[in-house]
Amino acid sequence: EAEVAQSPRYKITEKSQAVAFWCDPISGHATLYWYRQILGQGPELLVQFQDESVVDDSQLPKDRFSAERLKGVDSTLKIQPAELGDSAMYLCASRQTNTGELFFGEGSRLTVL
Amino acid sequence: DQQVKQNSPSLSVQEGRISILNCDYTNSMFDYFLWYKKYPAEGPTFLISISSIKDKNEDGRFTVFLNKSAKHLSLHIVPSQPGDSAVYFCAASDGTNFGNEKLTFGTGTRLTIIP
Repeated sequence: EAEVAQSPRYKITEKSQAVAFWCDPISGHATLYWYRQILGQGPELLVQFQDESVVDDSQLPKDRFSAERLKGVDSTLKIQPAELGDSAMYLCASRQTNTGELFFGEGSRLTVL
Repeated sequence: DQQVKQNSPSLSVQEGRISILNCDYTNSMFDYFLWYKKYPAEGPTFLISISSIKDKNEDGRFTVFLNKSAKHLSLHIVPSQPGDSAVYFCAASDGTNFGNEKLTFGTGTRLTIIP
């Protein structure tokens, strides 16, 4: 069964360091999302891509976060410099075009020390 | 401003009984609602959805009810099984029938089914 792949699963870093997360959506899914889930809260949308274009990045802290999907397939989310408050689960999801269902990856758990 | 609220952070239900998870929303533009289930160390998985033109949608043991006037929806699981123990997120969308645009999630309810 096709899945959304994310790496790394876990990342521990010190504040002020740079971190990067990678996502490979299900093949053929044009829409890709990055969500952040802080412990005890629901997922919050950071950025949405349609193919290689950003559709919504209104909630992305652009002073330190960046996201790209250069070829409209896999995507990278970068944080530089990381801050303590960035500790969270970073979830990637892709959308099946005909049903609209979102499929989530297993997430990348970031701990900033 | 929390537009989707799940006021019960946790719920415990005896196996075989009915589990009822509640969700309230404030944005009247929301027209599509979804429930996701999340196990530890996994991403959320889609469970069931409902469009605002309906007030009930059923899929096996899972039924979602929507009360638009009260801006309230609920997920009923009957009978509850130990494998249902997970965190359940309510999510809402405005704009499309598929609800595939920006999803706003609630804070989740941790359901524990007691054998």
